[in-house]
Amino acid sequence: GENVEQHPSTLSVQEGDSAVIKCTYSDSASNYFPWYKQELGKRPQLIIDIRSNVGEKKDQRIAVTLNKTAKHFSLHITETQPEDSAVYFCAASARGGSQGNLIFGKGTKLSVKP
Amino acid sequence: SQTIHQWPATLVQPVGSPLSLECTVEGTSNPNLYWYRQAAGRGLQLLFYSVGIGQISSEVPQNLSASRPQDRQFILSSKKLLLSDSGFYLCAWSPLSETQYFGPGTRLLVL
Repeated sequence: GENVEQHPSTLSVQEGDSAVIKCTYSDSASNYFPWYKQELGKRPQLIIDIRSNVGEKKDQRIAVTLNKTAKHFSLHITETQPEDSAVYFCAASARGGSQGNLIFGKGTKLSVKP
Repeated sequence: SQTIHQWPATLVQPVGSPLSLECTVEGTSNPNLYWYRQAAGRGLQLLFYSVGIGQISSEVPQNLSASRPQDRQFILSSKKLLLSDSGFYLCAWSPLSETQYFGPGTRLLVL
């Protein structure tokens, strides 16, 4: 079935460094790729998303890149801050996105050390 | 603007007791609705989704059920809770754009 693999499962960086989280997906019909940030005890919040007709998207310190040929996409956070510490989930639309279902990765716990 | 509500926020229930969790969405019509479960420190497991009133699709077999009695109301139920039902239950809604927006969640502890 459709699958999204996310790496690494944990990531520790120093404040100010960059962080990169990578995901691969199996369904070639996937065309929508959101990223969510979940702080401890809170709901996942959408932080950035990208569609298959775009290769890169930026929003201040965060960016997402997409390689449809290789079926992988990545989240880049620059100049990390302690408040970036959270669990990040990638996702890919399932069944061509016809029903809005998302397949989620297992998450990456990011720790930013001051 | 759209708002999603879930209640209760926390719940402690004995094994074998029934369960009813409610999710409502405001400010939109005919959304897709989803129930997810998240075990402590784990990922998001899709339990049910609905594309319309009375239309429920189940992703995993379990002792839970879902219903959508109104366009913007989604209910998660169980007749008899198991210890393994403990977790963080998240409701989400989606417009046609596929983006999913999560509710605040219900933390369920089954003892």
